[in-house]
Amino acid sequence: GESVGLHLPTLSVQEGDNSIINCAYSNSASDYFIWYKQESGKGPQFIIDIRSNMDKRQGQRVTVLLNKTVKHLSLQIAATQPGDSAVYFCAENDPGTYKYIFGTGTRLKVLA
Amino acid sequence: KAGVTQTPRYLIKTRGQQVTLSCSPISGHRSVSWYQQTPGQGLQFLFEYFSETQRNKGNFPGRFSGRQFSNSRSEMNVSTLELGDSALYLCASAPPTSTDTQYFGPGTRLTVL
Repeated sequence: GESVGLHLPTLSVQEGDNSIINCAYSNSASDYFIWYKQESGKGPQFIIDIRSNMDKRQGQRVTVLLNKTVKHLSLQIAATQPGDSAVYFCAENDPGTYKYIFGTGTRLKVLA
Repeated sequence: KAGVTQTPRYLIKTRGQQVTLSCSPISGHRSVSWYQQTPGQGLQFLFEYFSETQRNKGNFPGRFSGRQFSNSRSEMNVSTLELGDSALYLCASAPPTSTDTQYFGPGTRLTVL
């Protein structure tokens, strides 16, 4: 398949282990955050979101943590599966401009 | 609900030509944003349309333009194509509320020869 990014940071995890992907965001005024998953040759797919009035949100096998003090976002994937292999992006929404700003992405490789 | 659709999925053009890409948002979504994705630069914001008006614009040259129709469908045009315009062009739509989730289409892969 086609590469989303050739020089992305890569996280390699064993199948069944937990994965933690980190993201530093830029704007302290951003009030809404999204994690996306992008598989090779496809558009980004919504995984989970969180608003700035929360510090944790859980979905199915995924948890997003927000630390506004240090402008840090993380995505935790429990019991990582081969199908989780993809590039993961965080996005922040600036309430003043409605713009989404995307992180550079992290490639997750799941080792069998 | 059907997702965001983009046409065509693949396109090959030569330098100097122009191209028009189309995006149909999720039904009920009024915001449509366009992004360029390349291996070297990642996801870069081109522009956003809301209710037929350009609400936001990224830092791209005037060769890149867009429009939105009354049914929220959007088109993006690139004139005088350059080799560096080769990229995956992604469209994303969002519900009327300004800070709700954007949903992406599959993208149009443009190759400029």
